Amino acid sequence: EAGVAQSPRYKIIEKRQSVAFWCNPISGHATLYWYQQILGQGPKLLIQFQNNGVVDDSQLPKDRFSAERLKGVDSTLKIQPAKLEDSAVYLCASSFNTDTQYFGPGTRLTVL
Amino acid sequence: QKEVEQDPGPLSVPEGAIVSLNCTYSNSAFQYFMWYRQYSRKGPELLMYTYSSGNKEDGRFTAQVDKSSKYISLFIRDSQPSDSATYLCAMMGGKSTFGDGTTLTVKP
Repeated sequence: EAGVAQSPRYKIIEKRQSVAFWCNPISGHATLYWYQQILGQGPKLLIQFQNNGVVDDSQLPKDRFSAERLKGVDSTLKIQPAKLEDSAVYLCASSFNTDTQYFGPGTRLTVL
Repeated sequence: QKEVEQDPGPLSVPEGAIVSLNCTYSNSAFQYFMWYRQYSRKGPELLMYTYSSGNKEDGRFTAQVDKSSKYISLFIRDSQPSDSATYLCAMMGGKSTFGDGTTLTVKP
């Protein structure tokens, strides 16, 4: 069984630029999560999708972050414009139900 | 105050030692309790999952939950250098909330 795929693995941008991350969950997993993990901290949930509907986006900074999962499979997370404090690893996870989550390798973002 | 507090570490032990990793929480709504292992530059990997007070054992790993004290632990027996990683506790009552992790180094 293929795992959660994410791309790119690394991204370096300057502040005020925009960036997008892509996630392909495990086949058949209806629930998809985006997390932000700042160095030395645990993952923080940004948004949770159930199929293509949003279940929880309470911690998503909606003035600059957006996410979509149009066909209930792949998802993209966008930041526009980026700030220095957005430097982090962005993790995508998926689950068949809502308990066991499988994580991808993450995208490491550096904002200069 | 954070909903989930995890012993910060870092923790360094000799090979073969018993390791104890601990978290406390404040939100009584948490129903599910997980431990993840995260190697450097990798995503977290689920180790243990439980939803009730008591102990759950899987090989060298034992997860312990005490809901009355709002305290969970992960014990690693006969620790190996390959166990060197960051261990994250996570709790769920609706959405998942993670601790900040404890970095463990097992020295040969």
